[in-house]
Formats: sequence, structure tokens, C-alpha cells
Amino acid sequence: QKEVEQNSGPLSVPEGAIASLNCTYSDRGSQSFFWYRQYSGKSPELIMSIYSNGDKEDGRFTAQLNKASQYVSLLIRDSQPSDSATYLCATTGGGNKLTFGTGTQLKVEL
Amino acid sequence: EPEVTQTPSHQVTQMGQEVILRCVPISNHLYFYWYRQILGQKVEFLVSFYNNEISEKSEIFDDQFSVERPDGSNFTLKIRSTKLEDSAMYFCASSGEGSNQPQHFGDGTRLSIL
Repeated sequence: QKEVEQNSGPLSVPEGAIASLNCTYSDRGSQSFFWYRQYSGKSPELIMSIYSNGDKEDGRFTAQLNKASQYVSLLIRDSQPSDSATYLCATTGGGNKLTFGTGTQLKVEL
Repeated sequence: EPEVTQTPSHQVTQMGQEVILRCVPISNHLYFYWYRQILGQKVEFLVSFYNNEISEKSEIFDDQFSVERPDGSNFTLKIRSTKLEDSAMYFCASSGEGSNQPQHFGDGTRLSIL
């Protein structure tokens, strides 16, 4: 069974702080890695994609991938209350099927 | 920005009835998907569709389910003989050419089986 594991949280950070979200995956054949944001009752919204080891930055978001450790993370700098949501980690293997984690709930407090 | 659209936003159906959920993928995308999310649970893959045929399906996607691309724009999920446990959010997604392309999700259809 190919699994994607995330701490369900909630992760609480003060406004302006850095939020660090982590994800591990079991399938060593995983090739593509995605972070989605999901507000309550809404659909997943793509934030970042990462395909190779290292860091990838996009605005306030940085995704980090370490394939040897089977670990993906998402850093959110200068966290805002509007960042409060559930963050879903997802991977694909040889095909296009996305395997999702259960998500980490982030709360950004004023 | 192009988006995936889904209709209806909410569908209420009696157990045993058939439902059809509709999706219009992003126009230049070639891969189409259905996922579902039972309340409080993770998003689960149901099926992927490429070049007018199913490319992959999960164990959930049994004979009760079928997909179709009836014309050049719509992509549908049919659920026959609905059961209470089919109640969930159903998301359609699409992606461009290639296996690494990000998938973009529609707003979903909330299916409630009574």
C-alpha cells in the first residue's frame, strides 16, 4: 500500500511567522510531488509542484524535496490568517494517479 | 485563468438511484480524473481517463461506476444503484500532456444519498 503521511495538526503559528509542514511517502518510485491547499468545504488548490531534490521557491512558499529520505516539506514565510487551511501533500508514481495524505491543518493566529 | 467546472454543486438522491456528475475540464488538457473525499477523510483517486479510455482506476471504481466523454468538452461520472456510503464530495481534475503535469481541481459536487 503506497502511503503519504502527514501530521494532522493543528499546527498553530503566529501571524508573520514561518509555518513548516512536513510529509513522508512510502513509494520510492514516486516521481512528482505536490502541495495543495484546501479550505473547509472547498476543493484542493494547487500551491506548489516539485520534481527534483532540493528547494523550489514561489513567493512566500518554498517546497523542499529529499528523495533519499522520502521527505517533502512546505515552508510558508510571513504567514497570514488567510493561510489558515488544510495543506495536502500528494505524489504520483509511474502514472498520473495522485496519492494524497490526510492533510495538516494550519492555523495562523493574530 | 482557465478552470475546471463541475455541475451540479450539490446533488441529493435516493438510495438505489443513478446519478451523473458532470465536469468540463480545462480546454487544452488531455488527462481527466475523478476523485472523491468522504467527510473528514483524505482525497481518494477513482479513475483517470486519457485518449477516450480509462488509463487507471482504483479498487473503489467498480462496476457501479462508469466514466464517459460524450462530446469534446464534457467528462461525466455515472454512479448506478447509489448507496449511503457513496455520499461524498466528488472532484473532477484535469492536467496537460505528460505524467508530471499538475492536476487542477474543480469546485466539486457534494453528493448526498438519502
